Amino acid sequence: SQKIEQNSEALNIQEGKTATLTCNYTNYSPAYLQWYRQDPGRGPVFLLLIRENEKEKRKERLKVTFDTTLKQSLFHITASQPADSATYLCALGVRDDKIIFGKGTRLHILP
Amino acid sequence: NAGVMQNPRHLVRRRGQEARLRCSPMKGHSHVYWYRQLPEEGLKFMVYLQKENIIDESGMPKERFSAEFPKEGPSILRIQQVVRGDSAAYFCASSQTSGGASDTQYFGPGTRLTVL
Repeated sequence: SQKIEQNSEALNIQEGKTATLTCNYTNYSPAYLQWYRQDPGRGPVFLLLIRENEKEKRKERLKVTFDTTLKQSLFHITASQPADSATYLCALGVRDDKIIFGKGTRLHILP
Repeated sequence: NAGVMQNPRHLVRRRGQEARLRCSPMKGHSHVYWYRQLPEEGLKFMVYLQKENIIDESGMPKERFSAEFPKEGPSILRIQQVVRGDSAAYFCASSQTSGGASDTQYFGPGTRLTVL
């Protein structure tokens, strides 16, 4: 069956360290993958998109990798800050332009 | 440029009543998507619309749920005869083109529906 799995438990990271979130998928062949941030009571906010032929993408303190062989994406936040605390959603772009979301990982940056 | 707007932000209905959720896309966007999010669950795709057309409604329950995006005015998600299981956050997103790798979906703040 088709699955998207993100770190099921909340992630606690000390301020200043790098936070790494994982997104694994099975039985999908996504053309691209996106990461979103969602704060409590708010809608998701788009962060980064990486295509199937790209290995890595960066934006300021964010870095995303995409390994289509392992069927995995890693999302890194370097020099993490308490303001980075939120839920981060991985979303697969399947070929008919539909986006399939994972359940998200709650990230807490501890001061 | 205002973002995606949804109203109401919170909606309380009794079982059997109708719920009507509105979404105004970003200016210049003609593609609208509706998602449902249950507590501790991911966003689930419901329906994708363009002006006056339903493009993909594969995620929408066959009964009681309907959506429209008229030529003028907001997109409406309508739930008839609501049941407790309909309680969730409903998010609308819009994009300029058909989304996918060439465009981004921008999300509204959501409508939180509570069915008593």
